[in-house]
Amino acid sequence: ETGVTQSPTHLIKTRGQQVTLRCSSQSGHNTVSWYQQALGQGPQFIFQYYREEENGRGNFPPRFSGLQFPNYSSELNVNALELDDSALYLCASRDGQMETQYFGPGTRLLVL
Amino acid sequence: EDQVTQSPEALRLQEGESSSLNCSYTVSGLRGLFWYRQDPGKGPEFLFTLYSAGEEKEKERLKATLTKKESFLHITAPKPEDSATYLCAVTNTGGFKTIFGAGTRLFVKA
Repeated sequence: ETGVTQSPTHLIKTRGQQVTLRCSSQSGHNTVSWYQQALGQGPQFIFQYYREEENGRGNFPPRFSGLQFPNYSSELNVNALELDDSALYLCASRDGQMETQYFGPGTRLLVL
Repeated sequence: EDQVTQSPEALRLQEGESSSLNCSYTVSGLRGLFWYRQDPGKGPEFLFTLYSAGEEKEKERLKATLTKKESFLHITAPKPEDSATYLCAVTNTGGFKTIFGAGTRLFVKA
């Protein structure tokens, strides 16, 4: 069974640029969530996708957007990057009938 | 507003010195409470899911318990390899949002 994978592992961008992060869900999982984790803090919920539709969102502005594809892989897009967007971005997947999420290794984003 | 508070922020133990980590939560209907372990720079690793008050789960040196207002993660005779950040999270009955605490950083010295 393949776990959750994310790409890239690290990324450096400059303020104002746009970035796309990618996630492949664990086999059999149709629900994916994205989280932002600043240094020394717990993960903050960005949004959740179920069967290609966003069905939950945290307190993040619209410049944070996402997609889920028919194979349940997912993308997180961030426009107009700000310095405070520097963080570890985590993807988590689960079976829609179950509650437990399994996390990927994360993408470390640095905005200069 | 749904909220998760973990204490202490950091805990330093000697190898073999048992202790407990606390997770207090406020949620509009609990769908599940989760414990994860996170090593520096890595994604959280799933440990336990608890669903209702009175439930307990164990795995090696770890035991998680749940009441209506809080959860405890008990660590028995810890080893240096147990050093990590332990995260607590809750999902409400809507199931669309999971809220994490800030975590407890555990240091176990040999």
